Amino acid sequence: EVHLVESGGGLVQPGGSLTLSCAASGFIFSTYWMTWVRQAPGKGLEWVANIKQDASEKNYVDSVKGRFTVSRDNANNSLYLQMNSLRVGDTAMYYCVSGWDFPYWGQGTLVTVSS
Amino acid sequence: DIQMTQSPSSLSASVGDRVTITCRASQDIRNDLGWYQQKPGKAPKCLMNTASRLRGGVPSRFSGSGSGTEFTLTISSLQPEDFATYYCLQYNTYPRTFGQGTKVETK
Repeated sequence: EVHLVESGGGLVQPGGSLTLSCAASGFIFSTYWMTWVRQAPGKGLEWVANIKQDASEKNYVDSVKGRFTVSRDNANNSLYLQMNSLRVGDTAMYYCVSGWDFPYWGQGTLVTVSS
Repeated sequence: DIQMTQSPSSLSASVGDRVTITCRASQDIRNDLGWYQQKPGKAPKCLMNTASRLRGGVPSRFSGSGSGTEFTLTISSLQPEDFATYYCLQYNTYPRTFGQGTKVETK
């Protein structure tokens, strides 16, 4: 059974940094594209970034380019999202998602950016 | 960016009703579309990919159709556990984009 567990969320001040992690199990992690999706409180879903199986390709939504970095560790079945220069507008639940067509989702980790 | 327009944004229905949700893409996305169900406080769940391929374990009352720019999610006979918010997603082009969601509420 596919299992995705996010961690690393919390309260951070504007301009601060945070690194999210996603521990994956139940599938061959190294063969899957991985994605981060976020959802602001009471709002819809927003694609944030994804990373190819061998990390040779990474893509980002414009609003996070230059501030967020997606990475992965295939040896440890882990996905990461390094978030810098955080803004109030980045406040959201962040979901780790596996697969090209988003079949499997974690339960999310909440990031709150507030002073 | 490809805009995904869902309609309606909300609907009221009763158990047993047939429910149809439409998603329109601002440009051709072939059949690179998924449908996702989200219940309050929970993560989204994938119902289907490639516009009409049902994921394992998803009840057959759910069906999808369409290609290009017009897509439809149909629930043939609404069940109590189907009251939720539904999103479409295009994964044809970057950035990936979701529809704004359709909330299915009890009448």
